[in-house]
Amino acid sequence: EPEVTQTPSHQVTQMGQEVILRCVPISNHLYFYWYRQILGQKVEFLVSFYNNEISEKSEIFDDQFSVERPDGSNFTLKIRSTKLEDSAMYFCASSGGREALYRYEQYFGPGTRLTVT
Amino acid sequence: GEDVEQSLFLSVREGDSSVINCTYTDSSSTYLYWYKQEPGAGLQLLTYIFSNMDMKQDQRLTVLLNKKDKHLSLRIADTQTGDSAIYFCAESINNNDMRFGAGTRLTVKP
Repeated sequence: EPEVTQTPSHQVTQMGQEVILRCVPISNHLYFYWYRQILGQKVEFLVSFYNNEISEKSEIFDDQFSVERPDGSNFTLKIRSTKLEDSAMYFCASSGGREALYRYEQYFGPGTRLTVT
Repeated sequence: GEDVEQSLFLSVREGDSSVINCTYTDSSSTYLYWYKQEPGAGLQLLTYIFSNMDMKQDQRLTVLLNKKDKHLSLRIADTQTGDSAIYFCAESINNNDMRFGAGTRLTVKP
């Protein structure tokens, strides 16, 4: 069964460093998302991406964050200068095959745990 | 702001039915979801319901929606130990951003 994959599973970085979190969405999906979950808190929406541009973003997704689909398979989240409060589990999701109904089914990857020291 | 609330814990005996409840505040919510998270794993989409429906059944899972009270429930029939996990309720207006509850930890005792 197709699934969303994410690498690495755990990333440790020092404050101020740039990190890139990688995701491979399900191959025929057209819509891509990033969410994060700070330990002990709710899963929060960061950004959605469609047709090579951001379609929606939350207040969390400030200028330190960027997303890119560099090729036909990867979807990346970059944090330019990490802060301690960026430590969280980051989930990638994808949805939407050719049939509109599947637009509503977001499938999540296993997450990347980012630890900023 | 808009919010999604769930009780944090539920414990049932194997074979019993589990009912996990969720309330949301945004009356514009159009899509309502249930996700399951097992330890160390991502969020698994279990089922979803559109706001113009009041019930959806899928094998052992039954979703009930009371739009007037903004109340969503997930019933798991014949609960098994493998159903032990955290269950997240989520809602969305436009299916771009989803708002999640804090999750209900379901423990199934043999």
